[in-house]
Amino acid sequence: DGGITQSPKYLFRKEGQNVTLSCEQNLNHDAMYWYRQDPGQGLRLIYYSQIVNDFQKGDIAEGYSVSREKKESFPLTVTSAQKNPTAFYLCASSMFHEQFFGPGTRLTVL
Amino acid sequence: SQKIEQNSEALNIQEGKTATLTCNYTNYSPAYLQWYRQDPGRGPVFLLLIRENEKEKRKERLKVTFDTTLKQSLFHITASQPADSATYLCALERLGGGSQGNLIFGKGTKLSVKP
Repeated sequence: DGGITQSPKYLFRKEGQNVTLSCEQNLNHDAMYWYRQDPGQGLRLIYYSQIVNDFQKGDIAEGYSVSREKKESFPLTVTSAQKNPTAFYLCASSMFHEQFFGPGTRLTVL
Repeated sequence: SQKIEQNSEALNIQEGKTATLTCNYTNYSPAYLQWYRQDPGRGPVFLLLIRENEKEKRKERLKVTFDTTLKQSLFHITASQPADSATYLCALERLGGGSQGNLIFGKGTKLSVKP
């Protein structure tokens, strides 16, 4: 069954802690993306990667970091430098034009 | 810079009617435009892609038009049903984004279909 998985679905962290969100795909897609979604804001691009071992900043990269060591995996770390990390985080992948999304991780920083 | 706008934050219609959602863009000419559906607490799901040389595209009860002169796309759901209630997102290719799948999304229109 091909698709994108994100874990965990819900995540709670204390302020000042770094946290890593997982994203795995078995679609054999080259490109992967991380978005943040806040109410009324739509999808905002954090980072994207077009190929293994390469990634670029999106529109709101400050306070986030990523790695792309394997084609299947694109983890996102929310660092303590991110001023307002509570949000819904979505991972996606693409081969051509269409993006395939994971189920999302809702991060709450207490 | 690229700008994409979906005119209505929310649209309420009666079951059986046609829902029409609007997407406008400025500052460039995209080669294609996409529409996605997003249910609460879930990731968006791709619905349709329309290219600049296609005026209209259909898929079951869905119809999309693409007017490159007006820089506008219309998304229609005919014979709407309560199950069509969701947020619908318009997306365009991101300039300078490298891969052809790198998109910029509108904020979405929340459609509610009442029985």
